[in-house]
Amino acid sequence: SYELTQPPSVSVSPGQTARITCSGDALPKKYAYWYQQKSGQAPVMVIYEDSKRPSGIPETFSGSSSGTMATLTISGAQVEDEADYYCFSRDSSGDRVFGGGTKLTVL
Amino acid sequence: EVQLVESGGGLVQPGGSLRLSCAASGFTVSSNYMSWVRQAPGKGLEWVSVISSGDSTYYADSVKGRFIISRDNSQNTLYLEMNSLRAEDTAVYYCARDDSNGYYPEYWGQGTLVTVSS
Repeated sequence: SYELTQPPSVSVSPGQTARITCSGDALPKKYAYWYQQKSGQAPVMVIYEDSKRPSGIPETFSGSSSGTMATLTISGAQVEDEADYYCFSRDSSGDRVFGGGTKLTVL
Repeated sequence: EVQLVESGGGLVQPGGSLRLSCAASGFTVSSNYMSWVRQAPGKGLEWVSVISSGDSTYYADSVKGRFIISRDNSQNTLYLEMNSLRAEDTAVYYCARDDSNGYYPEYWGQGTLVTVSS
């Protein structure tokens, strides 16, 4: 079955740039989406269609995709950005897949 | 405003059944793709099932043949009937409304916890 691979954890100091990657064989032809999930809360979309930002999401969140890797970038990360981040995409047959998630620590 | 409220979770024995509900407001469930996504304790998100606006249904291999997704348009409610439950089905179950193209979950409910244990 299709898999999206994310690093289990990323750690940065406040004000630094955090980059979270998501790799998958179908990403050259399929969009990547990113969700933020804070402890005890439902997921919230922060990036859709590789690089678009939903209304209400700060400009500090950006996305990109190249080849088999999509990247979520959080510029000037703050303590309030600490969360689990999940990528999402579709495989070549249209099935829905989430990445394993990345825990972002800002300290 | 789009709102999704799940209910029906609880403790069930292995082999048992449970039906989850997701009451929607602010939009019409019949006009949208609707999904169920689950999250086992301390684990990541797992897509479970989706029903299209045309009533086509799709399931993850892990639940195929045991779970049934459906909706009641008169109640504007989405359901997930879960049968032959296993310990590994223990999770928070979220319902979600997909985007207008039915491609990805856009709006999420707060989830309901299902615990499968004897």
